[in-house]
Amino acid sequence: QVQLVQSGAEVKKPGSSVKVSCKASGGTFSSYAISWVRQAPGQGLEWMGRIIPILGIANYAQKFQGRVTITADKSTSTAYMELSSLRSEDTAVYYCARAGDGGDYFDYWGQGTLVTVSS
Amino acid sequence: VIWMTQSPSLLSASTGDRVTISCRMSQGISSYLAWYQQKPGKAPELLIYAASTLQSGVPSRFSGSGSGTDFTLTISCLQSEDFATYYCQQYYSFPRTFGQGTKVEIK
Repeated sequence: QVQLVQSGAEVKKPGSSVKVSCKASGGTFSSYAISWVRQAPGQGLEWMGRIIPILGIANYAQKFQGRVTITADKSTSTAYMELSSLRSEDTAVYYCARAGDGGDYFDYWGQGTLVTVSS
Repeated sequence: VIWMTQSPSLLSASTGDRVTISCRMSQGISSYLAWYQQKPGKAPELLIYAASTLQSGVPSRFSGSGSGTDFTLTISCLQSEDFATYYCQQYYSFPRTFGQGTKVEIK
């Protein structure tokens, strides 16, 4: 059974950066794209970007271009999402999610990581 | 960017009801559409992908239909555990996008 386990909650100051990890187990990590999706309090889901670990290629949503970096370490089956220049509007739960066999729908999700940006 | 209009945003229903949720795309996406269920404080769960394929383990009262620009999620006989928020998501093009969500509440 595939499991995605994310790092713990973070509290950050405006202008700083945060790096969230997502460790996969129980499946073939490198072959499946890992996406990052965030959800602000009381709001909907927002796709930020993804990486295909075996290729090391990342795609980002235009909204986050230049502020987000998604990486993957095949040796530890861990994906990372780093968001810089944090502002209060970045306060959200951040999820990693694995793509399915047939495309970029998400059949496995991490438990979520709450990132709070506050001065 | 493909924009998605999901409706209604709020749906009040009773156990046993048949409910439908609509998702309309700003451009055609063939069948590259998924549906998710999310309960408070939990990660979303995949219900349907490829517009109409039921994810393993999902009850058969859930079904999806449509292609191109118009899609529907149907719950044939609403159960107590189905009261949740539902999202559609397209994976035809980048950026991947989600509908705004439909909250199904107890009437």
